[in-house]
Amino acid sequence: AQRVTQPEKLLSVFKGAPVELKCNYSYSGSPELFWYVQYSRQRLQLLLRHISRESIKGFTADLNKGETSFHLKKPFAQEEDSAMYYCALTSGSARQLTFGSGTQLTVLP
Amino acid sequence: DSGVTQTPKHLITATGQRVTLRCSPRSGDLSVYWYQQSLDQGLQFLIQYYNGEERAKGNILERFSAQQFPDLHSELNLSSLELGDSALYFCASSQAGFYTDTQYFGPGTRLTVL
Repeated sequence: AQRVTQPEKLLSVFKGAPVELKCNYSYSGSPELFWYVQYSRQRLQLLLRHISRESIKGFTADLNKGETSFHLKKPFAQEEDSAMYYCALTSGSARQLTFGSGTQLTVLP
Repeated sequence: DSGVTQTPKHLITATGQRVTLRCSPRSGDLSVYWYQQSLDQGLQFLIQYYNGEERAKGNILERFSAQQFPDLHSELNLSSLELGDSALYFCASSQAGFYTDTQYFGPGTRLTVL
C-alpha cells in the first residue's frame, strides 16, 4: 500500500529564513508526487508536482527516489506562505491522491 | 468561473438525517473525486467517477453513496448521519482520471451534524 509521511505537524520560521517541509513516501513503483497548499481551510490548491519541475511562488521540490523523499523548499520564507501544506501521491494502481497528514507552516514577522 | 464548484457551502443537520452534496467539475474534465477532511482522519479519498462510471473506491462508508450524471456533475449522498460524519467534503476533478493528471479541488462543503 502507498503511504505518505509528513513528520512535522507544525513548523515555524522567521520571515526571510529558509524553510524545508519534509515528505517521505512508500511505494514500490514510480509514483507521481504533488504538493498542495491550503489557506485557512479553503480549497486545496496545487503548488507544484515533480513532473513539471518548475518553481511556484519560490518553492521547489526534488524527488529523491533513493530516499523516497519529496521535500519542499524555499530559500526565503514570506509571511504569506503561512498555510497548511500537504504532500500527496498517485500511482498507476491508485489514481486517487494519498495525502500526508499535513504541515502547518507559520512564518513569523 | 470554470473551476470546480460545490454546493452548498455549509450544511447543518441532525443525526439520522440524509443530505446530498453536489459538485460540478471543471469544464472539460471527465473524472470526479470525493474526499473527506476531518481533524482526526485528515484527508481521505472516498470515491472516483469517470464519465459516469465508478472508477475507484476508498474508505467510503456503506451509508454513503455517490453518482456522476450525464452532464458530468456528481452528487454525494450521506445517510443515517452520525456526529462523526461532521467534516469538510471536497470534490476534485481531472481531465481523464489518469494517475498523472492534476486534480483540481472545489471549495468544499462543510457538514456539521448535531
